[in-house]
Amino acid sequence: NAGVTQTPKFQVLKTGQSMTLQCAQDMNHNSMYWYRQDPGMGLRLIYYSASEGTTDKGEVPNGYNVSRLNKREFSLRLESAAPSQTSVYFCASSEAIPMGGYTFGSGTRLTVV
Amino acid sequence: ILNVEQSPQSLHVQEGDSTNFTCSFPSSNFYALHWYRWETAKSPEALFVMTLNGDEKKKGRISATLNTKEGYSYLYIKGSQPEDSATYLCARNLANQAGTALIFGKGTTLSVSS
Repeated sequence: NAGVTQTPKFQVLKTGQSMTLQCAQDMNHNSMYWYRQDPGMGLRLIYYSASEGTTDKGEVPNGYNVSRLNKREFSLRLESAAPSQTSVYFCASSEAIPMGGYTFGSGTRLTVV
Repeated sequence: ILNVEQSPQSLHVQEGDSTNFTCSFPSSNFYALHWYRWETAKSPEALFVMTLNGDEKKKGRISATLNTKEGYSYLYIKGSQPEDSATYLCARNLANQAGTALIFGKGTTLSVSS
């Protein structure tokens, strides 16, 4: 099925561990995004990539790094996980001019203990 | 980073009631305003994208309007049904250009009782 695929769906990390969240889209979209969702906070932008080869910080970039590996893939890395990074992470993609809106992945639920 | 505000935070209505929510946003450097519907345990789904002052969009019983000069948008649901229960998010582009990311409000959670 066409869309945005995120892996893993669930992950538990210990404080200080590192991990990479993977995101891939097969809609030939130019732009990709990472958001986190916390109770009462809505969706907050972590990083985005307007096009292959570019990345920009969003509202809450501290503690994260990203890589736009190619047009299809955009990964999010936590170098040293902290309990404050416990959240649900959503990847999304869109055309450069998203008149149809974003397409979201199904989310990764991350718990840092 | 700009601030997108939504009100009310939550709303409970009876089946058949009509309701509306508000999204307010900075009007400077405006590019587009998006509305999304987000059901529990699912991913957000796009409802509308509006770019021009005075735009009105409609999808079934749901409609939206846009005022870019004063920086607000309304979402209306006519004759609410239990399946309309969801969180409704609005979002504005970060800057006045294509390819910039969306900044979301915190959402309005609608609960419709039968």
